[in-house]
Amino acid sequence: GQQVMQIPQYQHVQEGEDFTTYCNSSTTLSNIQWYKQRPGGHPVFLIQLVKSGEVKKQKRLTFQFGEAKKNSSLHITATQTTDVGTYFCAGFSIPIKAAGNKLTFGGGTRVLVKP
Amino acid sequence: DTEVTQTPKHLVMGMTNKKSLKCEQHMGHRAMYWYKQKAKKPPELMFVYSYEKLSINESVPSRFSPECPNSSLLNLHLHALQPEDSALYLCASSQEASGRYGTGELFFGEGSRLTVL
Repeated sequence: GQQVMQIPQYQHVQEGEDFTTYCNSSTTLSNIQWYKQRPGGHPVFLIQLVKSGEVKKQKRLTFQFGEAKKNSSLHITATQTTDVGTYFCAGFSIPIKAAGNKLTFGGGTRVLVKP
Repeated sequence: DTEVTQTPKHLVMGMTNKKSLKCEQHMGHRAMYWYKQKAKKPPELMFVYSYEKLSINESVPSRFSPECPNSSLLNLHLHALQPEDSALYLCASSQEASGRYGTGELFFGEGSRLTVL
């Protein structure tokens, strides 16, 4: 079945520094979504990428979808303490119905920020 | 603030108890989901309802019984649970379960934290 892997599992970042988390799928994806879950909270949708090679920015966050639609990345610049949390990618395989219309989550990258 | 409301926020139950988790959304979404999340793990899909019909059951044990009374409500009935079922149970909704690009954005509730003694 479809597998979505994220690296790194943990990311310790000095406040003000940049970092990137990566998401890799074993199958070609129709689209990929990113969620953020604060400690003790629930996942909150950040963005959805659909097109091959797509790049989207949200303030200090830059999301990229690979040309082959099998990988994605999230880059955060000038990390702040508010960026603490776990970032999950989640994707649908092509064709969508082959995966039972199921969004498959990656294992997440847990981000800790050192002030 | 989340637009998906879950009750109760916390639940402690014994292995012989029967309890229910409730979820409500008023966004007109046609798909609703139950996820289970253990500590430091991603959400794990349990059930998907599309237009009030069960469309996916991820081989969940029968001690978990979902119910969708109407398009705004989703329940999860719990009976004879095991301590390993202790987890955060998340309800989510989306406009569709299988649109052109899948579900679109999932809106998660704050979850019900379940402890089974």
